[in-house]
Amino acid sequence: GAGVSQSPSNKVTEKGKDVELRCDPISGHTALYWYRQSLGQGLEFLIYFQGNSAPDKSGLPSDRFSAERTGGSVSTLTIQRTQQEDSAVYLCASSLGGALLTEAFFGQGTRLTVV
Amino acid sequence: AQKITQTQPGMFVQEKEAVTLDCTYDTSDPSYGLFWYKQPSSGEMIFLIYQGSYDQQNATEGRYSLNFQKARKSANLVISASQLGDSAMYFCAMRERRKTGTASKLTFGTGTRLQVTL
Repeated sequence: GAGVSQSPSNKVTEKGKDVELRCDPISGHTALYWYRQSLGQGLEFLIYFQGNSAPDKSGLPSDRFSAERTGGSVSTLTIQRTQQEDSAVYLCASSLGGALLTEAFFGQGTRLTVV
Repeated sequence: AQKITQTQPGMFVQEKEAVTLDCTYDTSDPSYGLFWYKQPSSGEMIFLIYQGSYDQQNATEGRYSLNFQKARKSANLVISASQLGDSAMYFCAMRERRKTGTASKLTFGTGTRLQVTL
């Protein structure tokens, strides 16, 4: 597709279960970002991948959160032993290269509900 | 310390009027980019405009302009001739240059909710 694709669009999971969220960036985009947005709140940075550089993991809230990016393309955000406070919309974005003035394109997000 | 500060949680503007949404930032890096995004109630993030730290002129894009005051470290968004469809959350964001030379992550402010009234 032409845009950033995230799946699933909605996920309901039981507390304590693991979940995987997927992001397909725009083809050719070497930068990929994950954010978390709670209802009515701003975007909380989670992790940033740029090319072959070591990812910036400074936003991951705990060791239950991890992300990988395979082959410089698809990324998976994994949340282990989910808690109710993990409920939020998880947004993925990608941009072209590591230049400063490049627009980041966002996916539609995955709405995660932990019950 | 907050990198991006948006002090207006909510703003109201009448249709056809202009409105300014405030954004201040904090960086010691001489090279950075400033961005504005719009998020309607549908949840999608829509890019509006950007400004580079070395740009001499304020960025403009249709009804959007960025009032860039480098010395004050502010990058306010001005929306002219407001329309009902402008009602949304607006986020200011910044990207700095990392020591490796590539761009850093995009850091967002907390947003301003704009409501356009008749």
